[in-house]
Amino acid sequence: AQSVAQPEDQVNVAEGNPLTVKCTYSVSGNPYLFWYVQYPNRGLQFLLKYITGDNLVKGSYGFEAEFNKSQTSFHLKKPSALVSDSALYFCAVREKGDKLIFGTGTRLQVFP
Amino acid sequence: DAGITQSPRHKVTETGTPVTLRCHQTENHRYMYWYRQDPGHGLRLIHYSYGVKDTDKGEVSDGYSVSRSKTEDFLLTLESATSSQTSVYFCAISEVRAGGSYEQYFGPGTRLTVT
Repeated sequence: AQSVAQPEDQVNVAEGNPLTVKCTYSVSGNPYLFWYVQYPNRGLQFLLKYITGDNLVKGSYGFEAEFNKSQTSFHLKKPSALVSDSALYFCAVREKGDKLIFGTGTRLQVFP
Repeated sequence: DAGITQSPRHKVTETGTPVTLRCHQTENHRYMYWYRQDPGHGLRLIHYSYGVKDTDKGEVSDGYSVSRSKTEDFLLTLESATSSQTSVYFCAISEVRAGGSYEQYFGPGTRLTVT
């Protein structure tokens, strides 16, 4: 079965510094990988996806993610964090039958 | 929230009562999903639908049933609510695109408390 792991419950970063939110995956075959963000009292919003092609994927709000097949990772990155980026971030992988399997989430806190 | 509404947005109910949550979409998407979100567990799939009257179980389907009689509506029923079903419930929709890639779009959620 497909799975993703988010090893950090929380990531703290100062505004203006680069941020990384980690995700590793376990799949059979080629992975379809996704990142979502959840702001307080809201549903999840799609950020970006990796299907095939370039290992660096660009998404919404200045976020990007790097697919690394040898390390089975799909880390979310942003060159310069904003206080407004503070939210809950979820990594997900496509499962057979057009379902998504989500990680447990990482809370990003950006301090002024 | 991508043309998806959920009702009610908040509900408090007593143990043993049936509860129905509604998800309504205006996107005419084929696939619809019900998830629950709990601290430490992320989102877990309860049931999903791949068309009218076509549904299947997800990871945590025990105690839940669903129905989809129209493309736009997907109902989740807790047959006899228990305190362990206190959670935030999210509906999502998606459409398979060329190449097989897709993403899901989520509703605003329903906060259910079972006392």
